[in-house]
Amino acid sequence: KNEVEQSPQNLTAQEGEFITINCSYSVGISALHWLQQHPGGGIVSLFMLSSGKKKHGRLIATINIQEKHSSLHITASHPRDSAVYICAVNQGAQKLVFGQGTRLTINP
Amino acid sequence: GAGVSQSPSNKVTEKGKDVELRCDPISGHTALYWYRQSLGQGLEFLIYFQGNSAPDKSGLPSDRFSAERTGGSVSTLTIQRTQQEDSAVYLCASSLGAGGNYGYTFGSGTRLTVV
Repeated sequence: KNEVEQSPQNLTAQEGEFITINCSYSVGISALHWLQQHPGGGIVSLFMLSSGKKKHGRLIATINIQEKHSSLHITASHPRDSAVYICAVNQGAQKLVFGQGTRLTINP
Repeated sequence: GAGVSQSPSNKVTEKGKDVELRCDPISGHTALYWYRQSLGQGLEFLIYFQGNSAPDKSGLPSDRFSAERTGGSVSTLTIQRTQQEDSAVYLCASSLGAGGNYGYTFGSGTRLTVV
Protein backbone atom coordinates (compact mmCIF):
# COMPACT_ATOMS: atom_id res chain seq x y z
CA LYS A 1 0.00 0.00 0.00
CA ASN A 2 1.36 3.41 -0.97
CA GLU A 3 2.00 5.84 1.86
CA VAL A 4 0.09 8.51 -0.09
CA GLU A 5 -3.11 7.54 -1.88
CA GLN A 6 -5.06 9.81 -4.20
CA SER A 7 -8.54 9.45 -5.58
CA PRO A 8 -9.81 9.44 -8.17
CA GLN A 9 -6.95 8.45 -10.49
CA ASN A 10 -8.77 10.01 -13.43
CA LEU A 11 -11.51 12.60 -13.47
CA THR A 12 -13.37 14.07 -16.43
CA ALA A 13 -15.83 16.89 -15.93
CA GLN A 14 -17.61 19.64 -17.81
CA GLU A 15 -16.53 23.24 -17.67
CA GLY A 16 -18.03 24.99 -14.66
CA GLU A 17 -18.29 21.92 -12.45
CA PHE A 18 -16.99 21.83 -8.87
CA ILE A 19 -14.03 19.46 -8.63
CA THR A 20 -12.74 17.56 -5.59
CA ILE A 21 -9.55 15.50 -5.48
CA ASN A 22 -8.76 13.55 -2.34
CA CYS A 23 -5.49 12.53 -0.70
CA SER A 24 -5.02 10.15 2.22
CA TYR A 25 -1.73 9.37 3.87
CA SER A 26 -0.64 6.75 6.36
CA VAL A 27 2.42 8.36 7.95
CA GLY A 28 3.07 11.26 10.27
CA ILE A 29 3.79 14.39 8.30
CA SER A 30 5.16 17.87 8.84
CA ALA A 31 3.56 19.35 5.70
CA LEU A 32 1.41 18.39 2.73
CA HIS A 33 1.75 19.82 -0.76
CA TRP A 34 -0.56 20.01 -3.73
CA LEU A 35 1.27 20.18 -7.06
CA GLN A 36 0.07 20.70 -10.62
CA GLN A 37 1.77 19.08 -13.60
CA HIS A 38 0.85 20.09 -17.14
CA PRO A 39 1.72 18.08 -20.26
CA GLY A 40 5.40 18.64 -20.89
CA GLY A 41 6.30 17.78 -17.33
CA GLY A 42 6.84 21.03 -15.46
CA ILE A 43 5.48 21.05 -11.90
CA VAL A 44 3.97 24.03 -10.14
CA SER A 45 3.47 24.11 -6.40
CA LEU A 46 -0.12 25.11 -5.59
CA PHE A 47 -0.33 24.82 -1.82
CA MET A 48 1.70 23.85 1.22
CA LEU A 49 -0.44 22.95 4.24
CA SER A 50 0.18 21.85 7.77
CA SER A 51 -3.30 22.56 9.12
CA GLY A 52 -6.64 24.05 8.21
CA LYS A 53 -7.50 25.50 4.85
CA LYS A 54 -5.93 27.68 2.17
CA LYS A 55 -7.51 29.44 -0.80
CA HIS A 56 -5.95 30.85 -3.94
CA GLY A 57 -8.31 32.10 -6.59
CA ARG A 58 -10.60 29.22 -7.59
CA LEU A 59 -8.49 26.66 -5.74
CA ILE A 60 -9.09 25.59 -2.16
CA ALA A 61 -7.05 23.07 -0.18
CA THR A 62 -7.99 21.59 3.17
CA ILE A 63 -6.28 19.20 5.52
CA ASN A 64 -7.50 17.17 8.48
CA ILE A 65 -4.45 16.07 10.47
CA GLN A 66 -6.40 13.73 12.75
CA GLU A 67 -7.96 11.88 9.82
CA LYS A 68 -4.76 12.08 7.70
CA HIS A 69 -6.72 13.42 4.78
CA SER A 70 -6.54 16.40 2.45
CA SER A 71 -8.75 17.63 -0.36
CA LEU A 72 -8.14 19.95 -3.29
CA HIS A 73 -11.20 21.73 -4.65
CA ILE A 74 -11.56 23.66 -7.88
CA THR A 75 -14.58 25.92 -8.24
CA ALA A 76 -15.97 26.96 -11.64
CA SER A 77 -13.58 24.59 -13.42
CA HIS A 78 -12.14 25.59 -16.78
CA PRO A 79 -10.42 23.61 -19.56
CA ARG A 80 -7.12 25.26 -18.62
CA ASP A 81 -7.38 23.46 -15.26
CA SER A 82 -6.77 20.19 -17.12
CA ALA A 83 -3.58 18.74 -15.67
CA VAL A 84 -2.27 16.08 -13.32
CA TYR A 85 -2.67 17.04 -9.68
CA ILE A 86 -0.22 15.48 -7.26
CA CYS A 87 -0.41 15.23 -3.49
CA ALA A 88 2.93 14.97 -1.70
CA VAL A 89 3.88 14.86 1.97
CA ASN A 90 6.96 15.71 4.03
CA GLN A 91 7.71 13.07 6.62
CA GLY A 92 10.75 15.06 7.64
CA ALA A 93 11.61 18.57 6.58
CA GLN A 94 13.33 17.57 3.36
CA LYS A 95 12.14 14.60 1.33
CA LEU A 96 8.76 14.39 -0.34
CA VAL A 97 6.67 11.25 -0.72
CA PHE A 98 4.31 11.51 -3.67
CA GLY A 99 0.90 10.18 -4.53
CA GLN A 100 0.32 8.70 -7.96
CA GLY A 101 -1.49 11.78 -9.20
CA THR A 102 -5.00 12.52 -10.44
CA ARG A 103 -5.42 13.24 -14.14
CA LEU A 104 -8.11 15.92 -14.51
CA THR A 105 -9.73 16.71 -17.83
CA ILE A 106 -12.19 19.58 -18.10
CA ASN A 107 -14.23 19.58 -21.30
CA PRO A 108 -15.63 22.83 -22.72
CA GLY B 1 17.51 33.40 -12.24
CA ALA B 2 13.79 33.76 -11.75
CA GLY B 3 13.14 30.03 -11.59
CA VAL B 4 14.80 26.64 -11.46
CA SER B 5 16.48 25.95 -14.78
CA GLN B 6 17.23 22.47 -16.07
CA SER B 7 19.20 21.45 -19.11
CA PRO B 8 18.92 19.84 -21.50
CA SER B 9 15.14 19.72 -21.73
CA ASN B 10 15.36 16.54 -23.77
CA LYS B 11 18.16 14.01 -24.10
CA VAL B 12 18.27 10.89 -26.24
CA THR B 13 21.23 8.63 -25.59
CA GLU B 14 22.38 5.19 -26.54
CA LYS B 15 22.39 2.41 -24.00
CA GLY B 16 25.73 2.25 -22.24
CA LYS B 17 26.62 5.92 -22.67
CA ASP B 18 27.04 8.34 -19.75
CA VAL B 19 24.78 11.39 -19.42
CA GLU B 20 24.94 14.56 -17.35
CA LEU B 21 21.82 16.50 -16.38
CA ARG B 22 22.14 20.02 -15.04
CA CYS B 23 20.07 21.97 -12.53
CA ASP B 24 20.48 25.68 -11.82
CA PRO B 25 18.47 26.51 -8.69
CA ILE B 26 17.01 29.82 -7.64
CA SER B 27 19.75 32.10 -6.36
CA GLY B 28 19.95 31.94 -2.57
CA HIS B 29 18.13 28.63 -2.25
CA THR B 30 20.20 26.42 0.02
CA ALA B 31 18.37 23.14 -0.61
CA LEU B 32 18.33 21.30 -3.94
CA TYR B 33 16.48 18.08 -4.73
CA TRP B 34 16.48 15.60 -7.61
CA TYR B 35 13.41 13.47 -8.39
CA ARG B 36 12.62 10.97 -11.13
CA GLN B 37 9.30 10.29 -12.84
CA SER B 38 9.26 7.12 -14.92
CA LEU B 39 6.55 6.55 -17.52
CA GLY B 40 3.28 5.70 -15.82
CA GLN B 41 4.87 5.96 -12.38
CA GLY B 42 4.76 8.52 -9.65
CA LEU B 43 7.64 10.75 -8.66
CA GLU B 44 10.44 9.25 -6.61
CA PHE B 45 13.13 10.95 -4.55
CA LEU B 46 16.74 10.54 -5.68
CA ILE B 47 19.02 12.87 -3.70
CA TYR B 48 19.05 16.19 -1.89
CA PHE B 49 21.65 18.77 -0.93
CA GLN B 50 21.23 21.14 2.01
CA GLY B 51 23.82 23.86 2.40
CA ASN B 52 27.23 22.47 3.27
CA SER B 53 25.87 19.26 4.81
CA ALA B 54 26.61 15.87 3.29
CA PRO B 55 23.98 15.06 0.66
CA ASP B 56 21.26 12.50 1.35
CA LYS B 57 21.80 9.93 -1.39
CA SER B 58 19.34 7.39 -0.04
CA GLY B 59 17.09 7.49 -3.13
CA LEU B 60 19.73 6.82 -5.77
CA PRO B 61 18.71 3.53 -7.44
CA SER B 62 22.20 2.21 -8.17
CA ASP B 63 25.88 3.14 -8.06
CA ARG B 64 25.58 4.24 -11.70
CA PHE B 65 23.87 7.35 -10.41
CA SER B 66 25.77 10.19 -8.77
CA ALA B 67 25.26 13.89 -8.20
CA GLU B 68 27.27 16.84 -7.09
CA ARG B 69 26.55 20.42 -6.23
CA THR B 70 29.35 22.86 -6.83
CA GLY B 71 29.69 26.06 -4.84
CA GLY B 72 26.31 25.54 -3.24
CA SER B 73 24.61 26.40 -6.52
CA VAL B 74 24.52 24.39 -9.74
CA SER B 75 24.00 20.64 -9.48
CA THR B 76 24.82 17.89 -11.96
CA LEU B 77 23.18 14.46 -11.94
CA THR B 78 25.34 11.90 -13.73
CA ILE B 79 24.12 8.52 -14.95
CA GLN B 80 26.85 6.17 -16.06
CA ARG B 81 26.37 3.28 -18.48
CA THR B 82 22.75 4.19 -19.08
CA GLN B 83 20.12 1.46 -19.28
CA GLN B 84 16.68 1.56 -20.89
CA GLU B 85 15.04 1.55 -17.44
CA ASP B 86 16.74 4.91 -16.78
CA SER B 87 14.38 6.52 -19.30
CA ALA B 88 12.33 9.01 -17.32
CA VAL B 89 11.77 12.69 -16.63
CA TYR B 90 14.33 13.94 -14.13
CA LEU B 91 13.06 16.88 -12.09
CA CYS B 92 15.04 19.26 -9.95
CA ALA B 93 13.59 21.44 -7.19
CA SER B 94 15.07 24.01 -4.87
CA SER B 95 14.00 25.58 -1.60
CA LEU B 96 15.03 28.56 0.49
CA GLY B 97 15.66 26.16 3.35
CA ALA B 98 14.18 22.77 4.12
CA GLY B 99 11.40 22.25 1.62
CA GLY B 100 8.95 21.17 4.26
CA ASN B 101 9.28 24.57 5.88
CA TYR B 102 9.56 26.87 2.87
CA GLY B 103 8.01 24.95 -0.01
CA TYR B 104 9.57 23.80 -3.26
CA THR B 105 10.12 25.38 -6.69
CA PHE B 106 10.42 22.83 -9.47
CA GLY B 107 12.21 23.01 -12.78
CA SER B 108 10.65 21.90 -16.06
CA GLY B 109 12.57 18.64 -16.05
CA THR B 110 14.86 16.77 -18.40
CA ARG B 111 13.22 14.01 -20.43
CA LEU B 112 15.82 11.25 -20.83
CA THR B 113 15.30 8.54 -23.41
CA VAL B 114 17.75 5.65 -23.56
CA VAL B 115 17.59 3.75 -26.86
